[in-house]
Amino acid sequence: SQQGEEDPQALSIQEGENATMNCSYKTSINNLQWYRQNSGRGLVHLILIRSNEREKHSGRLRVTLDTSKKSSSLLITASRAADTASYFCATVPSPGSARQLTFGSGTQLTVLP
Amino acid sequence: DAGVIQSPRHEVTEMGQEVTLRCKPISGHDYLFWYRQTMMRGLELLIYFNNNVPIDDSGMPEDRFSAKMPNASFSTLKIQPSEPRDSAVYFCASSLGTGAYGYTFGSGTRLTVV
Repeated sequence: SQQGEEDPQALSIQEGENATMNCSYKTSINNLQWYRQNSGRGLVHLILIRSNEREKHSGRLRVTLDTSKKSSSLLITASRAADTASYFCATVPSPGSARQLTFGSGTQLTVLP
Repeated sequence: DAGVIQSPRHEVTEMGQEVTLRCKPISGHDYLFWYRQTMMRGLELLIYFNNNVPIDDSGMPEDRFSAKMPNASFSTLKIQPSEPRDSAVYFCASSLGTGAYGYTFGSGTRLTVV
C-alpha cells in the first residue's frame, strides 16, 4: 500500500499562477521528499524536508510539513509551462530506513501557456 | 557524473523470453534500488542493495524476478520467463546513505511483453 497520497490527482492552471499540491501520509516519518517526473522520464528529486522542519524553500518551490496532521504541501510559485509534470511525495518512516521510500500516486500538473 | 544509466531504454519481447535490464549507479552511492511503475500500481519498490548486498527483496513479485549487483558500478534485473503482466517501466535509482538524502533515478526501461 502507498504511504503518501497526493491531492488533487490532476491540476490545470495558467502560466504565472501558483500551484499547490498536497500529500497525506499514515505513519510517523523521518523525512518527506518531493519528486517531479516529466512524461517518459525518470523521477527527479526536488526537495527533502525533515520531520523537525516545518517549512523549506528552494527557488520557486515551498514545502510545508505538518506532522500533527501527517500532511505536506508543495507550492510552485509563478508556474511555467516547463513545470508541467507529475509530482510525487515520498516518505521515509521513522526510524530512517532506505527500504521504505514509499511513493504516493502523484499529482499531474498541467501549466497552460 | 552522467547520473544513473539504464539500458536498454525500450525492450519489446515475446512472452516466455528472458529479459535483462541493466543499471549503472552514480559512483560513490552505496544504495541501489529497483522500482517498477505501472498505471495501476504506481511506483513499487522491488529490491534494494547496500554496498552490493541485497537487503530486502520482499517487493519482488515472483521467483521469475531476480536481481544481482556484482560490483559497485553495475546491477541487473532479470525476468525469466517474462509474461505480459510484467509490462511496465522499470527504474533504477541510487542514493548516498540511508534515506536521509534524495534518490537519483535513471531514465527507466520501458518493457513490453507481447
